[in-house]
Amino acid sequence: EVQLLESGGGLVQPGGSLRLSCAASGLTFSSHAMSWVRQAPTKGLEWVSAISTGGDRTYYADSVKGRFTISRDNSRNTLYLQVDGLRADDTAVYYCASGILKYYYVMDVWGQGTTVTVSS
Amino acid sequence: TVVTQEPSLTVSPGGTVTLTCASSTGAVTSGYYPNWFQQKPGQAPRALIYNTSNKHSWTPARFSGSLLGGKAALTLSGVQPEDEAEYYCLLYYGGAVVFGGGTKLTVL
Repeated sequence: EVQLLESGGGLVQPGGSLRLSCAASGLTFSSHAMSWVRQAPTKGLEWVSAISTGGDRTYYADSVKGRFTISRDNSRNTLYLQVDGLRADDTAVYYCASGILKYYYVMDVWGQGTTVTVSS
Repeated sequence: TVVTQEPSLTVSPGGTVTLTCASSTGAVTSGYYPNWFQQKPGQAPRALIYNTSNKHSWTPARFSGSLLGGKAALTLSGVQPEDEAEYYCLLYYGGAVVFGGGTKLTVL
C-alpha cells in the first residue's frame, strides 16, 4: 500500500520559514514525480509546486515562486518543501501527492496533510 | 487562468448528475489531462479520474469522465449517499497545474 506522510507544519510568524517533509512508502519513490498542494481554511485546492523524478526539473505556482523551494531525496524516499517569507495567506493544510510515474499532473495518492499557520 | 466548476449541485439517491470543468483559455481537450478528485469533510482528497476518462483501481464504476461541450465532465450514475462530497477538477497548462474551485454535491 502506498503511503505518504507529511510533517513539519506548525505555527510561524509572518516572514518566518519552515521545511515540510513528505515520507513515502510502498512505491518506487524515484520513479514518481511529486507535487505539493495546499488548502486554505474553508477554501479549495491550490497547486503549489512539483518536481520531476530525478529532481532536476521543478515547477511553481506564481503565488509562491521565489519564496518556496521543492526538493527530494530519493535515497530517503522523502519530498521536501522549504517555505520562506511566509505570509498570512500561506496559512493552509499542505498535502503531498504522488504522480503516476513522471506525470506530476496526474496525481493519484495523497497524504493526510500538515498544517501551516502563519500568525503573529 | 481560471478553471470554473458549478459551485453546488443536488441529486437524489439513485439519480445521475454531471459536473463540469471549464477553462478560461477556451475549450478543454484531452491535452489538458483532466483529473477529478473527491474530498469529504476533514479528509484528504481522493483521486477518481485521470487523463479525461481513466479510472484509478479504487474508483467505483458509477464514476465516469468525459469531454462534453468544450468542458471536462464527471458523471455519477446511480448516486449513493456516500457520494455527498466536494469534487475538484484539475487541468494541466504545460507546466502549471490549476484546480477548479470545486463543486459541492449534495445527495438529497
